[in-house]
Amino acid sequence: DTAVSQTPKYLVTQMGNDKSIKCEQNLGHDTMYWYKQDSKKFLKIMFSYNNKELIINETVPNRFSPKSPDKAHLNLHINSLELGDSAVYFCASSHNLIVTEAFFGQGTRLTVV
Amino acid sequence: GIQVEQSPPDLILQEGANSTLRCNFSDSVNNLQWFHQNPWGQLINLFYIPSGTKQNGRLSATTVATERYSLLYISSSQTTDSGVYFCAVERARENFNKFYFGSGTKLNVKP
Repeated sequence: DTAVSQTPKYLVTQMGNDKSIKCEQNLGHDTMYWYKQDSKKFLKIMFSYNNKELIINETVPNRFSPKSPDKAHLNLHINSLELGDSAVYFCASSHNLIVTEAFFGQGTRLTVV
Repeated sequence: GIQVEQSPPDLILQEGANSTLRCNFSDSVNNLQWFHQNPWGQLINLFYIPSGTKQNGRLSATTVATERYSLLYISSSQTTDSGVYFCAVERARENFNKFYFGSGTKLNVKP
């Protein structure tokens, strides 16, 4: 069983489109995150949620909107995709805000053409 | 923020060799993790080690939080160890938990 799973694994889309990436964790964790890995492999946090509540929004453009329907799911919707949005997006989860060992999904490689 | 520096940036090893990867950080940390990103892009947890020493098979890690560094030891390296090793820290002075990643050490183990 995959602990943190993301879909899709690959996403190729045209500029201006809207797309979503889904994330689910079956670890029973309270806290979930989205990280972005750029072309130089640098990883940076975008958002974190704890029990469906937004905790961190790391100056990400408004075109990015996370949604957490329940604490096991954190989806990422991106409007009006731009070339610069091309990256690998990782979902992660941790037990809670105190026990923060993070477990990552397999990543979603987004390519905007 | 906090600066997280990893060294060396690139490392080539012959299979069977040992190596030490280093992570320096510029401020007090609550937590520290080591990850291995394999050639398929997957981020694999190696250690959750805010302080002290842990061992897992051929890998071990030591964090000296008071001196602001952590070391990852790889012994008897194998080709499957190839990939990028990341250190990530959670800064102590921030109210919100988030990991700051280093830029990674790219390891290539040759047969």
